[in-house]
Amino acid sequence: AQTVTQSQPEMSVQEAETVTLSCTYDTSENNYYLFWYKQPPSRQMILVIRQEAYKQQNATENRFSVNFQKAAKSFSLKISDSQLGDTAMYFCAFMKPHLYTGANSKLTFGKGITLSVRP
Amino acid sequence: EAGVVQSPRYKIIEKKQPVAFWCNPISGHNTLYWYRQNLGQGPELLIRYENEEAVDDSQLPKDRFSAERLKGVDSTLKIQPAELGDSAVYLCASSSRQGRHGYTFGSGTRLTVV
Repeated sequence: AQTVTQSQPEMSVQEAETVTLSCTYDTSENNYYLFWYKQPPSRQMILVIRQEAYKQQNATENRFSVNFQKAAKSFSLKISDSQLGDTAMYFCAFMKPHLYTGANSKLTFGKGITLSVRP
Repeated sequence: EAGVVQSPRYKIIEKKQPVAFWCNPISGHNTLYWYRQNLGQGPELLIRYENEEAVDDSQLPKDRFSAERLKGVDSTLKIQPAELGDSAVYLCASSSRQGRHGYTFGSGTRLTVV
């Protein structure tokens, strides 16, 4: 079974600064996907960024980037130029795709981290 | 395109009463998921459907929870009878079989059992 650990319950950052959210996971799988989701007070989970384990290059999406360390089973999210709208809960998640089809499967989430961006 | 639609948005019921949640996934998405999110926690999978077949319901408390997905489109999750510990947010999500990049969530139903 896979586990995802987010050990920081809360973080705070000044607007326009950079913040890094930590995530570690445990799995015996070699092929998997990792995600960061944002959950604002509206409750809807919004995909921030994704990483496929077989890709060595770290994923980037505008102000969001990851540091994926497969051997260390670490998957941190860096938010650059933080904005007030980034205030939300952030969840790290793991997915083992279907063995033969590669289709989506169950997401295993961490406990999340509450990020506050200060004006 | 319309996103994943869930209703109701909020529900308050007394313990031992029944409750039902409804989900309309994104058109064409054959996979549908129900997750439960307890306060301060990440979501946990309750059940996953491929079309109308429940392919993973190992985490669904079958003594009081039931779900159905008629015609492989809309889905209903039911709790009967509800207990105080069922208070949580119930999230529905859907994905395309060919989509390998996560899936789309609805805004959830916040259930409070008093």
